[in-house]
Amino acid sequence: GAGVSQTPSNKVTEKGKYVELRCDPISGHTALYWYRQSLGQGPEFLIYFQGTGAADDSGLPNDRFFAVRPEGSVSTLKIQRTERGDSAVYLCASSRAQTSTDTQYFGPGTRLTVL
Amino acid sequence: AQSVTQLGSHVSVSEGALVLLRCNYSSSVPPYLFWYVQYPNQGLQLLLKYTSAATLVKGINGFEAEFKKSETSFHLTKPSAHMSDAAEYFCAVSKNSGTYKYIFGTGTRLKVLA
Repeated sequence: GAGVSQTPSNKVTEKGKYVELRCDPISGHTALYWYRQSLGQGPEFLIYFQGTGAADDSGLPNDRFFAVRPEGSVSTLKIQRTERGDSAVYLCASSRAQTSTDTQYFGPGTRLTVL
Repeated sequence: AQSVTQLGSHVSVSEGALVLLRCNYSSSVPPYLFWYVQYPNQGLQLLLKYTSAATLVKGINGFEAEFKKSETSFHLTKPSAHMSDAAEYFCAVSKNSGTYKYIFGTGTRLKVLA
């Protein structure tokens, strides 16, 4: 079946602009995660959704970052007033989340470049 | 708090040689441990995971890892490297409850020499 998809694959924006990054999880997966991977680093957790609600947003770096999942499927990560330090690859993952052993399946990521 | 340390940001091996990628973890609760591989311009792919069953875990592409609680380690091995194994490898830890978010190491880039 189809895996996790993310759009766009690349996004170039100017400092101060607003961007939206989209994640389409695997059908039927109730858990959805966003991670951020900076150059030379491992992915860092941003936010976790169980269904429509954000169960854990402790990884969001500041209030310029916000994510939604209104119907419990597609999620959008929103970044306001982008800064050059926001440049990174943003990864989305989904899992069934029926048990703690369920594997997270990752999308290919969106590479965000803030000029 | 949980954390993961991957020793060696770059590892080079000859084709056919043993692959050993090191991962040590810190966790105040029994952890779940994972190895993911990332090929250029692709997403993370699960190689294997430890979820408190057998301590020796076999994964895809001939990889395996052994959970050693006394050493707080989960090293990844493969008996014979293939050129197609060249990629970046990430070790991750999660709790067995809560949000199950992953804490990743900084990654090890594996280079396979002909």
